[in-house]
Amino acid sequence: DTAVSQTPKYLVTQMGNDKSIKCEQNLGHDTMYWYKQDSKKFLKIMFSYNNKELIINETVPNRFSPKSPDKAHLNLHINSLELGDSAVYFCASSQDYTRAWHFGPGTRLTVL
Amino acid sequence: KQEVTQIPAALSVPEGENLVLNCSFTDSAIYNLQWFRQDPGKGLTSLLLIQSSQREQTSGRLNASLDKSSGRSTLYIAASQPGDSATYLCAVRPQGSGNTGKLIFGQGTTLQVKP
Repeated sequence: DTAVSQTPKYLVTQMGNDKSIKCEQNLGHDTMYWYKQDSKKFLKIMFSYNNKELIINETVPNRFSPKSPDKAHLNLHINSLELGDSAVYFCASSQDYTRAWHFGPGTRLTVL
Repeated sequence: KQEVTQIPAALSVPEGENLVLNCSFTDSAIYNLQWFRQDPGKGLTSLLLIQSSQREQTSGRLNASLDKSSGRSTLYIAASQPGDSATYLCAVRPQGSGNTGKLIFGQGTTLQVKP
């Protein structure tokens, strides 16, 4: 009964490839997010989805595209991977801005 | 521009000590502030959420305070245990962010509690 799950946990790939990370939440939350944690451990928001609508896109390259087939899922597609994309990507969800957040376990992406 | 700073960056204490982690933010216009715990290689777990109208929240051995006007929050851990070893992150939700996910995170304090 995991609240927010992500797959895969680890992803190692070559530069230039296209990859996807999947995220699912079983909490019935309305909003889902993708965050990136860099090597210095800073967490920065990438995308926010509310009821399948993109709310914000914080200066993220258009090689990154979130896709939400339904309210419980928010997948992250990355095209033409670059070395600088190596990081840990976290999916999260919340019911609304007054409630606590729930984070997934993270996906460690390594681009060679 | 909202910035969140956590001091110290790392902390090592013997088991049983009471300790305080600090978080400061530059803009007092926030909806709320959350403290998270991150274990190595794991996701974040929300520990305490303080709304802007609140002064503190408690959960077990944890107590978080919020002084919005001065832009400060503290996380107090009583009777620390080795299992408390982790990185502790604070994050604020700026006003004007609506129902977006714009949490602004600090860099975290990595805590080690030695047996």
